[in-house]
Amino acid sequence: ETGVTQTPRHLVMGMTNKKSLKCEQHLGHNAMYWYKQSAKKPLELMFVYNFKEQTENNSVPSRFSPECPNSSHLFLHLHTLQPEDSALYLCASSQSGGRDEQYFGPGTRLTVT
Amino acid sequence: QKEVEQNSGPLSVPEGAIASLNCTYSDRGSQSFFWYRQYSGKSPELIMSIYSNGDKEDGRFTAQLNKASQYVSLLIRDSQPSDSATYLCAGAFNTDKLIFGTGTRLQVFP
Repeated sequence: ETGVTQTPRHLVMGMTNKKSLKCEQHLGHNAMYWYKQSAKKPLELMFVYNFKEQTENNSVPSRFSPECPNSSHLFLHLHTLQPEDSALYLCASSQSGGRDEQYFGPGTRLTVT
Repeated sequence: QKEVEQNSGPLSVPEGAIASLNCTYSDRGSQSFFWYRQYSGKSPELIMSIYSNGDKEDGRFTAQLNKASQYVSLLIRDSQPSDSATYLCAGAFNTDKLIFGTGTRLQVFP
């Protein structure tokens, strides 16, 4: 595996379900990010982790819960989502903080029914 | 509020022409800028980074940064239909994150 991987690639869940998105980076980076991209909207930064510590929570609703057990793995736990949460969820990583180039994973296309 | 602004387009250019994509930003404390290409339904792909004033060339792509005028641009020479995508400009402004523009959609027609 190379670069940034994300699983699953597609997810359909009901509003009462609990699911998790997984991201893994194989680049030796120390910072990881979650973004949300809705149709015809710009990228929205959700969370930033730097050396496993959360350094940014961009006023994200509590139904989204991130977890970063180490610098290579990032999770986004989902529960009681709303239909408007349907979007492409992108994970990215960079060497360190925000001044560095970020590399994106392929994304998870989430549909909330 | 640090902002990065782009014209949403679409920018339509004929095959073989030069496509010029522009981005302006509001904070003079910018450190570096990045151009990403995003095909429909796919994730952004980094294509150029630029850290200092002037031009940086990589194949058919040239990034230009002018910190005094607060703009950054991307030129694509010999545009191909496969270049049709949305191009995102992003800047780093002394924070722990990149600020992304809304993207410019480029259409290259044969």
